[in-house]
Amino acid sequence: GENVEQHPSTLSVQEGDSAVIKCTYSDSASNYFPWYKQELGKGPQLIIDIRSNVGEKKDQRIAVTLNKTAKHFSLHITETQPEDSAVYFCAASFGRNNDMRFGAGTRLTVKP
Amino acid sequence: DAGVTQSPTHLIKTRGQQVTLRCSPKSGHDTVSWYQQALGQGPQFIFQYYEEEERQRGNFPDRFSGHQFPNYSSELNVNALLLGDSALYLCASSRDGFYEQYFGPGTRLTVT
Repeated sequence: GENVEQHPSTLSVQEGDSAVIKCTYSDSASNYFPWYKQELGKGPQLIIDIRSNVGEKKDQRIAVTLNKTAKHFSLHITETQPEDSAVYFCAASFGRNNDMRFGAGTRLTVKP
Repeated sequence: DAGVTQSPTHLIKTRGQQVTLRCSPKSGHDTVSWYQQALGQGPQFIFQYYEEEERQRGNFPDRFSGHQFPNYSSELNVNALLLGDSALYLCASSRDGFYEQYFGPGTRLTVT
């Protein structure tokens, strides 16, 4: 089955700096890669996603890149703000309607 | 537009008891997936319901069962509770044929 590994487990940056979180997956059939942000006491919030037919996707300060050959994808957050502090999860799945396999999460702290 | 809602917010049960958790999907969504999130870990897929039937199942024992109603809402039942069942239970809704899944706030279950 699919196995998703996520690094780093914790990340601390200064406000205004960039943050990068990386994930690798094992199943080459996976074709959908979402990123979720989870704040304390809340459920995961979908912040950006990418499908395997696209190499990069950007939405304001966040972007995701996908390298299918190497089977890894990354989340990039630019101009970080204190409100970006949360736990971020990557996930991978194959096809629509399929279960997602999640990474273990990255706790991002943005220092003012 | 109401998002995914779950009830109750918190629950405390004793080993051996049974519990029922409830989920209402986003308006327009017809598919409900349940995930278990242990402390400090990513969500793990339990099962998915579509058209009132279990469509997929993760690696969870038969003690975990579910139901979907004609209005697309869903229940998760756990029998013979174990201490290890203590976790945040998340419901995610989606539209059949679409990739994106949206999570509710979760139900925090504590088994003593």
